[in-house]
Amino acid sequence: NAGVTQTPKFQVLKTGQSMTLQCAQDMNHEYMSWYRQDPGMGLRLIHYSVGAGITDQGEVPNGYNVSRSTTEDFPLRLLSAAPSQTSVYFCASTLNFSPGQGSAGELFFGEGSRLTVL
Amino acid sequence: GQQVMQIPQYQHVQEGEDFTTYCNSSTTLSNIQWYKQRPGGHPVFLIQLVKSGEVKKQKRLTFQFGEAKKNSSLHITATQTTDVGTYFCAGRDSNYQLIWGAGTKLIIKP
Repeated sequence: NAGVTQTPKFQVLKTGQSMTLQCAQDMNHEYMSWYRQDPGMGLRLIHYSVGAGITDQGEVPNGYNVSRSTTEDFPLRLLSAAPSQTSVYFCASTLNFSPGQGSAGELFFGEGSRLTVL
Repeated sequence: GQQVMQIPQYQHVQEGEDFTTYCNSSTTLSNIQWYKQRPGGHPVFLIQLVKSGEVKKQKRLTFQFGEAKKNSSLHITATQTTDVGTYFCAGRDSNYQLIWGAGTKLIIKP
C-alpha cells in the first residue's frame, strides 16, 4: 500500500499566486485532514473531512479551501498565497473518527509538502 | 480554547541517559496519543492511552496517562541515537478532536 501520498514535496510561490496541494490515500479512510507545521508551534489543523462530500474548518482555515469529492482525495487550495503561508503542510488520514467503531483513530501522515511563499 | 501544554521544548541528553516529556491539558481528555517525528520526516503514531492511570511500555519507552486524564508522560530509558526526533502528544477532547502539544525535541549530545 502507498498509504498517504502528497504532492508536490516542494513548491515556491510568489505572493498572490494560487496552487493546490494534492493528497491521496488508498486505505479507504473516512477521515482526512490538513495540518501546517511551523517551527516551535507543533501541528495546527487547517481543514478536515469525515467523509466524501463533508468538510469542516480547523484551527487555522483562513486562506485555504478544500473539497472532498471522493473518499481517496482531499486537495488543499491556496487561493492567494501570502508569505505567512510559508510552512510545511501535512495531510493525515484515519479509518474513522467516531469512538466505539473499532479504530484507535491513529493518524497516518503523508511525507509533507514544503511551501515557500516569496 | 482547550490547550495541551508540552514541556520541555528541547532536551539535550548524552547517549545512554534518560529522557522524559510531559503533557498537561486544561480539560479532561478522552484519550491521548503519542507521535514521533524524525528530523525532516513526518509524524508517526506510537501509542494511544485511553484509561485513567494507564501505563504502557514499548521496549525502552514508557507511556503514562494520569488518573484525572489531564496529563501524560513519555519516558525513554537509556536513549540511543535512533531516538532522536520530536515527540508530540495529542489529546482527544470531548468533541473527539485532537489537540496537539507543541512537541519536545530530543537531541543527543555529541
